[in-house]
This record gives sequence, structure tokens and C-alpha cells, in this order.
Amino acid sequence: GQQVMQIPQYQHVQEGEDFTTYCNSSTTLSTIQWYKQRPGGHPVFLIQLVKSGEVKKQKRLTFQFGEAKKNSSLHITATQTTDVGTYFCAGSGNQFYFGTGTSLTVIP
Amino acid sequence: NAGVTQTPEFQVLKTGQSMTLQCAQDMNHEYMSWYRQDPGMGLRLIHYSVGAGITDQGEVPNGYNVSRSTTEDFPLRLLSAAPSQTSVYFCASSRTGSREKLFFGSGTQLSVL
Repeated sequence: GQQVMQIPQYQHVQEGEDFTTYCNSSTTLSTIQWYKQRPGGHPVFLIQLVKSGEVKKQKRLTFQFGEAKKNSSLHITATQTTDVGTYFCAGSGNQFYFGTGTSLTVIP
Repeated sequence: NAGVTQTPEFQVLKTGQSMTLQCAQDMNHEYMSWYRQDPGMGLRLIHYSVGAGITDQGEVPNGYNVSRSTTEDFPLRLLSAAPSQTSVYFCASSRTGSREKLFFGSGTQLSVL
């Protein structure tokens, strides 16, 4: 079956440092979405990428979709304590396939 | 507009008991789904539905049943609870399917003793 792997599983950074999480699929994806889950909360949609090589930015967050549509990344510049949470990618075929998530801790 | 509403928020069951987790959405979404979340394993799809009267299995369907008699409701039934079903369960919906963003409920924390 389709698998979406995400690395790293955990990341601790000092406030102000950058952070990147990577998502890799065993098959070509139609689209990829990114979600953020705050501790104790539920996943909340951040963005969707559709086109090969697409790059989108949301303030300090940069999202990329690979040329082969099999991988994606989320980069946060100058992390803040409000960035704490788990970030999930979700590839889509006929269903959503969620990655295992990257838990981000930001040390003040 | 409440979005996706899940009940109960917490539940403790004994092994062998049955129960139903409720999920309702008021956004007229065609696609609804159930996930379980376990530490280090991300979100795993249990069952999903692309419209009223249509359901299908996801990645981990064993031990769970669903039905979709209306567009709004998508209950998840545990037939005979097992400790391995201890998890956090999320219901999620989207307008038409896997190419649109998912809206999640607030989750149900289930413990099976």
C-alpha cells in the first residue's frame, strides 16, 4: 500500500533557529497537504500543494512539492514558541495518506 | 457553524464492551473519515465515506464498523473493545474528497482496560 514517511520524528530547536521537516512517498501523489497539531489539539490544515515543483509561503513557513511529486518539505524560518506542535504531511490519491509527523519543540 | 462535532471527549471501556463514537458535521461535506492516532504512528485511516450510503475500509479497519445513513453523520462502532484499540480517535470531513482540505473534530480519547 501507499506509504508516506516523514523525518525527523522529533526536533528540538532554540527559539530563533530554523526548522525543516521532510515528507517522502513511495508513489506519485496527486496533491500534498500539510497540517499542524498543537499539543492536546486536533490537526489543522495549513496548505495544499498541487503542481510539480510548487513552492508556497505563509509568513515564516515555506512549503515545497518535489518535481516528481513524491516528496515535500516544510521549512520554518526563525522559530517562535508559537510554532510548537506536530506537523503532518498528507498525500492524496483516492484517500489521504498521512505521514508519521514531526514533533517540534522550541526552547525559549 | 459548529464544523465537525465528536462525542464523547473521553471514554473508558472494559475489554469486550461495545460502543459508538459519534461524529457530525454541518458543512454539507460529502467526504467523512475516521482516524486513530497512536504515538509515533501518525494518523491511520480506519474507514471513510464519499457520500451517504457509501463506506469503504482504510488502512486499519479491523474491529470497527461504520455506516453513513445521512450526509451529516458518520458514527464509528467498536464491536468488542480490545486494549489494542486504546487510542485517540479523530473524525474528519472534506467537501468532496482527498483533494480538498480536511476539517477535524476535537477527538475522542479512548482507553480500553
